[in-house]
Amino acid sequence: GAVVSQHPSWVICKSGTSVKIECRSLDFQATTMFWYRQFPKQSLMLMATSNEGSKATYEQGVEKDKFLINHASLTLSTLTVTSAHPEDSSFYICSARDPNRAGGGYTFGSGTRLTVV
Amino acid sequence: AQSVTQPDIHITVSEGASLELRCNYSYGATPYLFWYVQSPGQGLQLLLKYFSGDTLVQGIKGFEAEFKRSQSSFNLRKPSVHWSDAAEYFCGLGQNFVFGPGTRLSVLP
Repeated sequence: GAVVSQHPSWVICKSGTSVKIECRSLDFQATTMFWYRQFPKQSLMLMATSNEGSKATYEQGVEKDKFLINHASLTLSTLTVTSAHPEDSSFYICSARDPNRAGGGYTFGSGTRLTVV
Repeated sequence: AQSVTQPDIHITVSEGASLELRCNYSYGATPYLFWYVQSPGQGLQLLLKYFSGDTLVQGIKGFEAEFKRSQSSFNLRKPSVHWSDAAEYFCGLGQNFVFGPGTRLSVLP
């Protein structure tokens, strides 16, 4: 149980285009999902907290108009990188909390490696 | 295959007691290793990281971790736990960002 599916696992896009990343909780309902990005040899940086049915809460320094987050259902949150530029190339990972899981209940997606050319 | 295991799902300690959270990894080369903490409703916070060099790594909030290549381990320790340390702790392998399943820490007053 407690599987989080993230899609795509990797994507290459042209500069100026938009890319959508999906994060799905497959066997539980997640009222809250988190989005992170990681630069090479760096730790994860929290980008935003995605709440079902309401606006996402963005961390300081994260452009909400560039990184659009939609959490339309209890099992799906999407991150759209709009007008992507090479500096947006990174590894993006989501996590979701399963309240019925032992421990704290957080499960991570497998991540998406974005390369903007 | 790359993997991270945290054998303990839930640990309970008394305030003031010492703590050790276990982490084992599987990776073919020198790993980049992290420990994160997640408090309820919050995102991950980095406690410490190991890339190379000294195998005993000091982190924030009085935590430390020791990299032991022979045991493929990166256990997190704290000499005296505070009630505010109650949270979930994740060990991670940095090359392709593989997380362990997490260990929930409860602290008794």
